[in-house]
Amino acid sequence: AQSVSQHNHHVILSEAASLELGCNYSYGGTVNLFWYVQYPGQHLQLLLKYFSGDPLVKGIKGFEAEFIKSKFSFNLRKPSVQWSDTAEYFCAVTSTSGTYKYIFGTGTRLKVLA
Amino acid sequence: KAGVTQTPRYLIKTRGQQVTLSCSPISGHRSVSWYQQTPGQGLQFLFEYFSETQRNKGNFPGRFSGRQFSNSRSEMNVSTLELGDSALYLCASSSGTDYGYTFGSGTRLTVV
Repeated sequence: AQSVSQHNHHVILSEAASLELGCNYSYGGTVNLFWYVQYPGQHLQLLLKYFSGDPLVKGIKGFEAEFIKSKFSFNLRKPSVQWSDTAEYFCAVTSTSGTYKYIFGTGTRLKVLA
Repeated sequence: KAGVTQTPRYLIKTRGQQVTLSCSPISGHRSVSWYQQTPGQGLQFLFEYFSETQRNKGNFPGRFSGRQFSNSRSEMNVSTLELGDSALYLCASSSGTDYGYTFGSGTRLTVV
């Protein structure tokens, strides 16, 4: 079955700490991968996406993610978090075969302490 | 450019009633998808429309339906509402040339 697992449901960090959020997927065939962020009271926003090419993807606000095909993983990283990064982060996958159906992970709530 | 607009923002309905939610995609976007977001289940795919045709459907009962108009605006309808239908319903649109969706702010439906 197609699924996306986000291992950490809640993460609490102090400002300037490094962040890594795990995402593993189970999906037949080649995939496109995404990270979305939902700030408190706001709508989902695209952080970054991977379609092909360089497995290290740079996104907005200093975020990056690495696609490791052999591990079916697409972990999100940021070297130094800020209080304003407090949000919920969602990993999503879709097939490259033309379907626009996203499978989302259950999300990780990040709280950054000032 | 204007984002994805969903109306209404909030709805309270009684069990057994039906409801229609509306979504106006970004101008030029032809793909519109709907998702249900709940604390327990997260984001669940409902359906996706492209050029007025439903291309994909999630695992929801037939009480959930949708349609897309020639101007790409979309509506979803839920009939015979149940308490478990209380959720945030999100609409997202895409140009169709890549898979990056832009999401609206959602309609929060409460069924009492």
